[in-house]
Amino acid sequence: DGGITQSPKYLFRKEGQNVTLSCEQNLNHDAMYWYRQDPGQGLRLIYYSQIVNDFQKGDIAEGYSVSREKKESFPLTVTSAQKNPTAFYLCASSGTVNQPQHFGDGTRLSIL
Amino acid sequence: AQSVSQHNHHVILSEAASLELGCNYSYGGTVNLFWYVQYPGQHLQLLLKYFSGDPLVKGIKGFEAEFIKSKFSFNLRKPSVQWSDTAEYFCAVNPNNAGNMLTFGGGTRLMVKP
Repeated sequence: DGGITQSPKYLFRKEGQNVTLSCEQNLNHDAMYWYRQDPGQGLRLIYYSQIVNDFQKGDIAEGYSVSREKKESFPLTVTSAQKNPTAFYLCASSGTVNQPQHFGDGTRLSIL
Repeated sequence: AQSVSQHNHHVILSEAASLELGCNYSYGGTVNLFWYVQYPGQHLQLLLKYFSGDPLVKGIKGFEAEFIKSKFSFNLRKPSVQWSDTAEYFCAVNPNNAGNMLTFGGGTRLMVKP
């Protein structure tokens, strides 16, 4: 089945540690997105990529980094500079303009 | 900056009650509008979308939404809710000049009592 796969489902980070969240899609979508979901705040955009080898900062990019070396993959690294990383992280992808975004199941990140 | 407001953070209804969830946005240009639903333990799913044409849009599971341009609103409605509609609902806006970028509202948690 076509879809978006995020892994792991749960992730724990120690203080000062970088962690990487995986996002893979087999929908042949050009655009991919990372959101952070916090209670009562909806989804906030961290980074997005509209094409391979290109990505842009979203509204809350500080403390995060991404890469887009392959069309199918858009990993997100939560760096030690992110002071409040505990959240639910959602990856999405979309096709051409005027197409809705499709979402993965999410990764819940917690701090040890 | 554009914003999306969902007025009700938590809604509790009994089965068969009617539902209306408010959504207002602050962008002045042409927009595409979406409602997504997140059932407990599941990923976000598209409920319905508006791009152009008839401002009354019908989605899955008996949901509909009405785009009222003069009020910058896109309220979600369902005449008779079911226990299985218990979920979190998100309104999202995509300005036509912003690719597929979405700005989400804060979400509304709906609990339907059997």
